[in-house]
Amino acid sequence: NAGVMQNPRHLVRRRGQEARLRCSPMKGHSHVYWYRQLPEEGLKFMVYLQKENIIDESGMPKERFSAEFPKEGPSILRIQQVVRGDSAAYFCASSPGTGLGGAPQTQYFGPGTRLLVL
Amino acid sequence: KQEVTQIPAALSVPEGENLVLNCSFTDSAIYNLQWFRQDPGKGLTSLLLIQSSQREQTSGRLNASLDKSSGRSTLYIAASQPGDSATYLCASLNQAGTALIFGKGTTLSVSS
Repeated sequence: NAGVMQNPRHLVRRRGQEARLRCSPMKGHSHVYWYRQLPEEGLKFMVYLQKENIIDESGMPKERFSAEFPKEGPSILRIQQVVRGDSAAYFCASSPGTGLGGAPQTQYFGPGTRLLVL
Repeated sequence: KQEVTQIPAALSVPEGENLVLNCSFTDSAIYNLQWFRQDPGKGLTSLLLIQSSQREQTSGRLNASLDKSSGRSTLYIAASQPGDSATYLCASLNQAGTALIFGKGTTLSVSS
């Protein structure tokens, strides 16, 4: 069973360009989470999605950032008009959803996408 | 707003030493607490998960404890090895079960 896959692993963009980060969850997982790790900072939650639904986007910047998890295909984190401050490692995690009694399940992390904005 | 703090930020020890990493959190209303390992340029590997109703979990040379009343968790590593060198992250799962709140980590270096 392949783990969480993210691509590209490294992405270089110039200021003003768009960045698209993809995440394929583990087989059988229907929940996806995105986190961002800025240099010298801890990981920060961005957004939690289920298929075709955004459940919690409390950590998403209000502008330029969007996320989707379509019925078919990977989850996409999209950053429009990137700025140097967007340079960070972006991690995706997936889980199978809720367990007995609605208990949240363990999140499994991908290797991350390192975004560098020139 | 939940805040997770880890001390020390960095730790260097000789091989074979037993060590303790500390994690504190401000809001005791957590669903669970998890310890991860992160190697440079890599993703996160889950080490131990403690449910809010539990006091500790053990896996091999690792033991993690949880004291919700004091807002603390510790990760104990026995007989450290150079291969243990990595950054160790503590994270609490919020009550809604939607987001992990991470500390900044403790970077461990074990010398042979």
